[in-house]
Amino acid sequence: NAGVMQNPRHLVRRRGQEARLRCSPMKGHSHVYWYRQLPEEGLKFMVYLQKENIIDESGMPKERFSAEFPKEGPSILRIQQVVRGDSAAYFCASSSDSVQFFGPGTRLTVL
Amino acid sequence: KQEVTQIPAALSVPEGENLVLNCSFTDSAIYNLQWFRQDPGKGLTSLLLIQSSQREQTSGRLNASLDKSSGRSTLYIAASQPGDSATYLCAVNTGFQKLVFGTGTRLLVSP
Repeated sequence: NAGVMQNPRHLVRRRGQEARLRCSPMKGHSHVYWYRQLPEEGLKFMVYLQKENIIDESGMPKERFSAEFPKEGPSILRIQQVVRGDSAAYFCASSSDSVQFFGPGTRLTVL
Repeated sequence: KQEVTQIPAALSVPEGENLVLNCSFTDSAIYNLQWFRQDPGKGLTSLLLIQSSQREQTSGRLNASLDKSSGRSTLYIAASQPGDSATYLCAVNTGFQKLVFGTGTRLLVSP
């Protein structure tokens, strides 16, 4: 049983471009979570999704950020018009109940 | 609002020492608490999960305790080894499917 997969592992974007981060949950998991880790800071919750539904997006910035978890395929975290402050590690986790399993993260660098 | 604090922020010990990492949280109404390990530039590895009804969990040289009423958890590492060097993160599950993380303790074990 493969773990949580994230790709790409590293992503470089110039200011103003779009970033798309993908997360494939563990087999059998229907809950997906995204967290962000800014440099020298702890992980902060962004959004919690189930298939085709956003359950809790209280940690998402109000503008430029969106997330989806379609019926088929991976969950996508999309950042439009990236700025330097978006540079961070973005972690995805999945669960079938209350225990969350984390992926290796995507490290986004905005030039 | 749940807040999680970890003390100390950094710890350096010689190999073989037993050590204790501390985690405190402000709201005792938690579902469970997890301890993670994060290596530089890598993802999170779950070490121990303690349900709110439990007092402690053990795995090998690791022992985690939970005192919900006082809002504290400790991670005890016996006979530390250089391979234990990493950042240790404490995370509280509030029951609303989002984890609230502390900022971590950076551990360095010298040979």
